[in-house]
Amino acid sequence: SQQGEEDPQALSIQEGENATMNCSYKTSINNLQWYRQNSGRGLVHLILIRSNEREKHSGRLRVTLDTSKKSSSLLITASRAADTASYFCATDAGRGGSEKLVFGKGMKLTVNP
Amino acid sequence: DAGITQSPRHKVTETGTPVTLRCHQTENHRYMYWYRQDPGHGLRLIHYSYGVKDTDKGEVSDGYSVSRSKTEDFLLTLESATSSQTSVYFCATTSGGAIGTGELFFGEGSRLTVL
Repeated sequence: SQQGEEDPQALSIQEGENATMNCSYKTSINNLQWYRQNSGRGLVHLILIRSNEREKHSGRLRVTLDTSKKSSSLLITASRAADTASYFCATDAGRGGSEKLVFGKGMKLTVNP
Repeated sequence: DAGITQSPRHKVTETGTPVTLRCHQTENHRYMYWYRQDPGHGLRLIHYSYGVKDTDKGEVSDGYSVSRSKTEDFLLTLESATSSQTSVYFCATTSGGAIGTGELFFGEGSRLTVL
């Protein structure tokens, strides 16, 4: 079953605005990852945050993790039309260092020029 | 970009026929995965491999089998395709993380239609 659930399921914003996506998960994790998928393409890794980290930055991306609430957020600042894509959070199974990633259902972001 | 190639990229087949999808990687990654992506379900893990000849089931493995005889190749077989297996199939690989699962690298997907 799905571990992570993204919220909202769809978001439409104007270029230059910030976009925030949330992910909730159910069980303990080793790390949480975010991926982007452009239409008709494979997923591309964006950022990984470990369970002992609270915040991480990569360019215009900012990810936070709250393990007490089992939630994460992805913030894209100063959005561009090229950011239009689906975004997925993914978690590993946690205990024992499993090498399986479980993905959420994804969230569609549309950035209007 | 990681060298992950899926073939075929598109296939239309009939119910009851066998189908094999191939994933080929040039990264020497230890772990390989097959996911399927369906509207409303996101990505769901079918099978994965943690080494040559070492495979395990994911959450939606019924009706699928896999084989990995070489590090670089991971085959997904539908023994007798059904319409419910119409989907986009993604292969992914990783060398593994220091703790937990590392970054996955994805192929471009194989779109399978079962009539």
